[in-house]
Amino acid sequence: QQQVKQSPQSLIVQKGGISIINCAYENTAFDYFPWYQQFPGKGPALLIAIRPDVSEKKEGRFTISFNKSAKQFSLHIMDSQPGDSATYFCAATYSGGGADGLTFGKGTHLIIQP
Amino acid sequence: GAVVSQHPSWVICKSGTSVKIECRSLDFQATTMFWYRQFPKQSLMLMATSNEGSKATYEQGVEKDKFLINHASLTLSTLTVTSAHPEDSSFYICSARENRPPYEQYFGPGTRLTVT
Repeated sequence: QQQVKQSPQSLIVQKGGISIINCAYENTAFDYFPWYQQFPGKGPALLIAIRPDVSEKKEGRFTISFNKSAKQFSLHIMDSQPGDSATYFCAATYSGGGADGLTFGKGTHLIIQP
Repeated sequence: GAVVSQHPSWVICKSGTSVKIECRSLDFQATTMFWYRQFPKQSLMLMATSNEGSKATYEQGVEKDKFLINHASLTLSTLTVTSAHPEDSSFYICSARENRPPYEQYFGPGTRLTVT
């Protein structure tokens, strides 16, 4: 599987601040880029996803920015809350036609301090 | 949203025994399901792709004779860990892929396997 590089590994943000997590991918065939939130002992939950035909997608406090030429995408969490404290994974796959599994980044452990 | 269930949520078994884990898509059909493994504080690693009515496709390094996958219907895939050993202890998570665009993948809650 092609690698997806995620940074930072851990992040501490004050309540109300903006949390930013970055990912970079190698495989130019990837065309679907989701972000997942995972709490300890639980399965990952889909937060938001983007495809390369748009540069930004916003859903509530969560925004994905996508830079196709740089092969990078990022998650922004606005007005971060203590309940957002979790591990976040970016992922990528090729969704067209066949059925490829997701390639995950290594994850970012986010802590929102009250 | 789409719901995927897994059973059991946790299981403890003795070394040498086999364990079966079920993955069900509750409110949608999924021709394709995926099995992932996650070690503590690590990312998810794709183990295999499960296709309804055909053989599973395994990722490099995953023993197909050890991790048996059966996808008997459009809503059920099973993973059987055969002759389990302590190093198989992990968090096993399945996902189910919608059969229609945008082909979202929805994850189950995971199964914690401990082999003693």
